[in-house]
Amino acid sequence: QSALTQPPSVSGSPGQSVTISCTGSSNDVGDSNRVSWYQQPPATAPKLIIFDVINRPSGVPDRFSGSKSGNTASLTISGLQAEDEGVYYCSSNTGSRTLVFGGGTMLTVL
Amino acid sequence: QITLKESGPTLVKPTQTLTLTCTFSGFSLSSSGAGVGWVRQPPGKALEWLALIYWNDEKRYSPSLRTRLTITKDTAKNQVVLTMTNMDPVDTATYYCAHRLYGWGIRGDSFDVWGQGTRVTVSS
Repeated sequence: QSALTQPPSVSGSPGQSVTISCTGSSNDVGDSNRVSWYQQPPATAPKLIIFDVINRPSGVPDRFSGSKSGNTASLTISGLQAEDEGVYYCSSNTGSRTLVFGGGTMLTVL
Repeated sequence: QITLKESGPTLVKPTQTLTLTCTFSGFSLSSSGAGVGWVRQPPGKALEWLALIYWNDEKRYSPSLRTRLTITKDTAKNQVVLTMTNMDPVDTATYYCAHRLYGWGIRGDSFDVWGQGTRVTVSS
């Protein structure tokens, strides 16, 4: 299985919105609503921010939202804050119930 | 409160077998829906999923590493063990274990609590 495709980097100013895409195939992202997103600040373990495409774990601000269309999932962060900086990863179950991560997207808050 | 902690060698030689232990608390791996996974991250690179074991002893492995990986659980000790054979310098990475998020209506495999990670270097 190939890694999911994410843009290497995105940026935005405080208060703005940014969207990170995650493109897979009909065997993973397009197969079902089992996409997750993680935020990883430098030298820190990842933190789950979205599961099952659109759901936020308790404690995650509603500035973070997820969506999916076909083989592409998206994470939108609205009202950007400096603390949102870090690397964001998507992951998806596959048709054979394995998991695959994306290559990661570095978010810079200008 | 759920916590996980990885333990194992920090340095292994090429061709050796790596054994990592994840010791957890705050949940039981015998509870329906529970699971523990392993994910690694080479320095400066992306996350890579390795394996996942479920409460019912079902196991899933990365297709590209399947022949080298074995995941087991000891429910009584609250531990999950990952072994990786034939280690190579490209396997140098931080290895994380993580708690699978589960509950009513949750469909996918995502990890809501992670260990701090353990750095493993493969070098002669």
